[in-house]
Amino acid sequence: QVYLQESGPGLVRPSETLSLTCTVSGGSTRSYYWSWIRQSPVKGLEWIGYVYNTGTTNYNPSLKSRVTISLDTSKNQFSLRLTSVSAADTAVYYCARSGTNWGYDPWGQGTLVTVSS
Amino acid sequence: DIQMTQSPSALSASVGDRVSITCRASQTISTNLNWYQKRPGKAHRLLIYSASTLQGGGPSRFSGSGSGTDFTLTISSLQPEDFATYYCQQTYNIPFTFGLGTRLEIK
Repeated sequence: QVYLQESGPGLVRPSETLSLTCTVSGGSTRSYYWSWIRQSPVKGLEWIGYVYNTGTTNYNPSLKSRVTISLDTSKNQFSLRLTSVSAADTAVYYCARSGTNWGYDPWGQGTLVTVSS
Repeated sequence: DIQMTQSPSALSASVGDRVSITCRASQTISTNLNWYQKRPGKAHRLLIYSASTLQGGGPSRFSGSGSGTDFTLTISSLQPEDFATYYCQQTYNIPFTFGLGTRLEIK
């Protein structure tokens, strides 16, 4: 069974960069699409983007100028980088896997990131 | 972006009840619609993909229907573990978007 676990700082200062890592266990990152999704009380669930095993990425246009998702198959991890954060980026961040049917399964448990000085 | 509207936002029901949750897309999405369950302390769980296909290992009491703009998730006989929040998601256009959720509570 595949498990995903998010890790990274829980507090980020405004204007700085949010960096999170998702570690995949029980399966390989050499196939599938690997995604980040976040949830806040204001916006609900928001799809951030994905990276495919070829390195191809696709991002939410509303975040595209600030976001990078990358894949490290040697470590079985993928990462999220979001620059110039503000309070609006405070959310629970989830990593998830999808196949060509685009159903997201599994998901990580999520990690709360707060943007505050 | 495609807007996904779920209704109701909250629902009270009893064990054994049959319940339905609807999801409406702001434009046609064919059958590119997923349903998820979120229970406190648990990861999101994919229940239904492509509008009507039950995810492997999912209980058969869950079913999905619809195409175009209108979709329904039905639970045929509620079990105690089904009291949770349910979300729909369209994967027809990027950005993929979610409904705001339906909270299913015990009556």
